[in-house]
Amino acid sequence: AQSVTQLDSQVPVFEEAPVELRCNYSSSVSVYLFWYVQYPNQGLQLLLKYLSGSTLVKGINGFEAEFNKSQTSFHLRKPSVHISDTAEYFCAVSGRSNNDMRFGAGTRLTVKP
Amino acid sequence: EAQVTQNPRYLITVTGKKLTVTCSQNMNHEYMSWYRQDPGLGLRQIYYSMNVEVTDKGDVPEGYKVSRKEKRNFPLILESPSPNQTSLYFCASRQGQTTSYEQYFGPGTRLTVT
Repeated sequence: AQSVTQLDSQVPVFEEAPVELRCNYSSSVSVYLFWYVQYPNQGLQLLLKYLSGSTLVKGINGFEAEFNKSQTSFHLRKPSVHISDTAEYFCAVSGRSNNDMRFGAGTRLTVKP
Repeated sequence: EAQVTQNPRYLITVTGKKLTVTCSQNMNHEYMSWYRQDPGLGLRQIYYSMNVEVTDKGDVPEGYKVSRKEKRNFPLILESPSPNQTSLYFCASRQGQTTSYEQYFGPGTRLTVT
């Protein structure tokens, strides 16, 4: 089985500052990795995913994440955040062969003016 | 517009009163699932369905039932709700069984059981 740990439950940051949301995973099999965003009162929306190939994955809204197999991490980054990025972010991992997707507890990103 | 819809969006009910939360998708997706979201726990899968008439338990199935009689619909049934089922519920769907396909989420149903 897979599991995910999001290392920060809350991340406050000022507008136009860079941000990194940290995600570590555990799995005995090869994995797919995902980041989802949940805006207030909405469902989850896929930001980006790593399936194979380049370890640097670019997603929507200027976000990117890097798959680091040796450190079993998939941290999400954005060089300059906007007020509109305020949301909850979920990291998820799935085994390639078992279709078992596991979500982290979430990180609440608050962007302050 | 491709979407997953859920109804109702908000529901307050009392212990023991049977309820159904509907979920419908218009993308002809094979796979559908239900999650509950609780603070500090993220999303946990309740039930999933690989296709019509094929359903299976997720991580937290106790107290819930589902059915998949049509490809587009996947209702969640609480036969006798209890306060520990107070939560935010999401329905999701994706094209195929493998998680490499993007999963689309509904807007959520906030359920309060008193």
